[in-house]
Amino acid sequence: AQKITQTQPGMFVQEKEAVTLDCTYDTSDQSYGLFWYKQPSSGEMIFLIYQGSYDEQNATEGRYSLNFQKARKSANLVISASQLGDSAMYFCAMREGLSGSARQLTFGSGTQLTVLP
Amino acid sequence: GAVVSQHPSWVICKSGTSVKIECRSLDFQATTMFWYRQFPKQSLMLMATSNEGSKATYEQGVEKDKFLINHASLTLSTLTVTSAHPEDSSFYICSAPKRRNPNYGYTFGSGTRLTVV
Repeated sequence: AQKITQTQPGMFVQEKEAVTLDCTYDTSDQSYGLFWYKQPSSGEMIFLIYQGSYDEQNATEGRYSLNFQKARKSANLVISASQLGDSAMYFCAMREGLSGSARQLTFGSGTQLTVLP
Repeated sequence: GAVVSQHPSWVICKSGTSVKIECRSLDFQATTMFWYRQFPKQSLMLMATSNEGSKATYEQGVEKDKFLINHASLTLSTLTVTSAHPEDSSFYICSAPKRRNPNYGYTFGSGTRLTVV
């Protein structure tokens, strides 16, 4: 079974509007971390936001917020006030286990976001 | 802080030759390094995990004799693609856990685009 599922291969959004990128996950661990990364065409991985499984508040980082619904096992990324520079591939990822443990990230298949002028 | 420098950024090699990719942690000690491979428009797939001073752990389906990983020091991990073939052409990227800020997870190298002709 897929551990991280991103069901939107591609998304379009008008500049200055908000967009939600979907992510669902599957784990039997009680402790886990959820990450969102942006990957522009250059290939670099840019960290956007993190949500720990025990965090009660939804994470926010500037224009990025994470809509964490633990019971539904979803961790959607919301980008507000989209900018042209937001056009990129976005990956949801999960680390199973305790924070700080040297475990690998498991990535979803990604969503290619295109911001339209 | 917690920067991983990856070289080369891109490489073109002839079929049958070997290519070495280096990842150096510049301002921290990386006891663990994850190596991922990414085909165009696809997700990052974990190939192997290297730990300083011990043998790498390879994911199922990854040929350890073909993808040689060495983690001889706390600041250097290398991936050597031996007897490269066109199907090995891909984007290879390394990643290390950021222990000081575990909630920020991981630092990534800038990636290496390998083209085998």
